[in-house]
Amino acid sequence: GAVVSQHPSRVICKSGTSVKIECRSLDFQATTMFWYRQFPKQSLMLMATSNEGSKATYEQGVEKDKFLINHASLTLSTLTVTSAHPEDSSFYICSARGAGADIQYFGAGTRLSVL
Amino acid sequence: AQTVTQSQPEMSVQEAETVTLSCTYDTSESDYYLFWYKQPPSRQMILVIRQEAYKQQNATENRFSVNFQKAAKSFSLKISDSQLGDAAMYFCAYTITSGTYKYIFGTGTRLKVLA
Repeated sequence: GAVVSQHPSRVICKSGTSVKIECRSLDFQATTMFWYRQFPKQSLMLMATSNEGSKATYEQGVEKDKFLINHASLTLSTLTVTSAHPEDSSFYICSARGAGADIQYFGAGTRLSVL
Repeated sequence: AQTVTQSQPEMSVQEAETVTLSCTYDTSESDYYLFWYKQPPSRQMILVIRQEAYKQQNATENRFSVNFQKAAKSFSLKISDSQLGDAAMYFCAYTITSGTYKYIFGTGTRLKVLA
């Protein structure tokens, strides 16, 4: 099956700093990548959808200046949490799909803790 | 609006027994895809099974099968011969066959497998 790598798996940072999370499709070209946030014991909440070479589309209520998404190539998307605060602490998951494909393949997630 | 409902927050099954997880959805589309994903304690999302709405035949994958009732907008997952490794959160998801193929997830069902 298709493999999506997400890095880092865990990050701890100080309040006010920025954190970058990478999502890579290892064996296919990801025309679309998705970023989710998951609170404890809850479902995945879609934050944004990104297509290679285009600006990301953010879901309602998600601050695009807080959560910067870049999808510069067909195998890499990044999520940068800018000026992180404790309320940004959460589990972030990326996924990717290839052209014309309906299945999303997921990364292993990143646990962000902001002190 | 398209919605996915999982009415069972938690289910338990004895090892080697069979359990059925429920999922209903609401859509006005005629062509779409439905999925069941498993999220074990590692939090890695794993595709369990996929159903294409235009196919009447229920999808099966080894011990996992679905009961897809299009008219009733129901998509239940049956797990046969339950194993300890099946213990996880199970999410039902829906996507339409165009655009970005973004998923709409249900709230999840936590499955416990009793030895």
